[in-house]
Amino acid sequence: NAGVTQTPKFQVLKTGQSMTLQCAQDMNHEYMSWYRQDPGMGLRLIHYSVGAGITDQGEVPNGYNVSRSTTEDFPLRLLSAAPSQTSVYFCASSYSLAGGHYNEQFFGPGTRLTVL
Amino acid sequence: TQLLEQSPQFLSIQEGENLTVYCNSSSVFSSLQWYRQEPGEGPVLLVTVVTGGEVKKLKRLTFQFGDARKDSSLHITAAQPGDTGLYLCAGEGRASGTYKYIFGTGTRLKVLA
Repeated sequence: NAGVTQTPKFQVLKTGQSMTLQCAQDMNHEYMSWYRQDPGMGLRLIHYSVGAGITDQGEVPNGYNVSRSTTEDFPLRLLSAAPSQTSVYFCASSYSLAGGHYNEQFFGPGTRLTVL
Repeated sequence: TQLLEQSPQFLSIQEGENLTVYCNSSSVFSSLQWYRQEPGEGPVLLVTVVTGGEVKKLKRLTFQFGDARKDSSLHITAAQPGDTGLYLCAGEGRASGTYKYIFGTGTRLKVLA
């Protein structure tokens, strides 16, 4: 299993450009999420999905869109990049356990995005 | 909004010393996880605690979930340079029937040889 894969690893954008960060997992996990990590702020949840066709907002969803057409893929779209979106982006997946809890989240290697 | 605050934010200690990292919230979490993150990589799970008052041990690491499931601590005994990294707590919250993980602000630990 490849686990959680993310592409690209690095990206530089100009203000106003749009792009899609790709995330895929081959573990058949129903739960997938996107986080951004900024210095001194830990990981902040952008959007998440509990299954194909179901998405919901996290703590910081503004400026980002997601879709979940398949169990495997969960792309994150930046509609009009802004310097405030300069960050490291992590995708993660998980599966539910008996009792309603979710197991550990498996993280991808991250995408380092710079918006000029 | 559910928030998790970690303390201290930074910690630099000598090899062999003991340390405790705290993760506090005013919200109740259904479970709480601790992760460690190395530079350039994603976080990796260390432990999950589910029951209030639960204590789990992983070699020299001891994790405790508060009785009210609002806080947790991570204690490292006889720290080693290999323990260096960013430690993150994450609470599994349930609001309006949805499932969200909320991460703490992180504790950056450096263990000097």
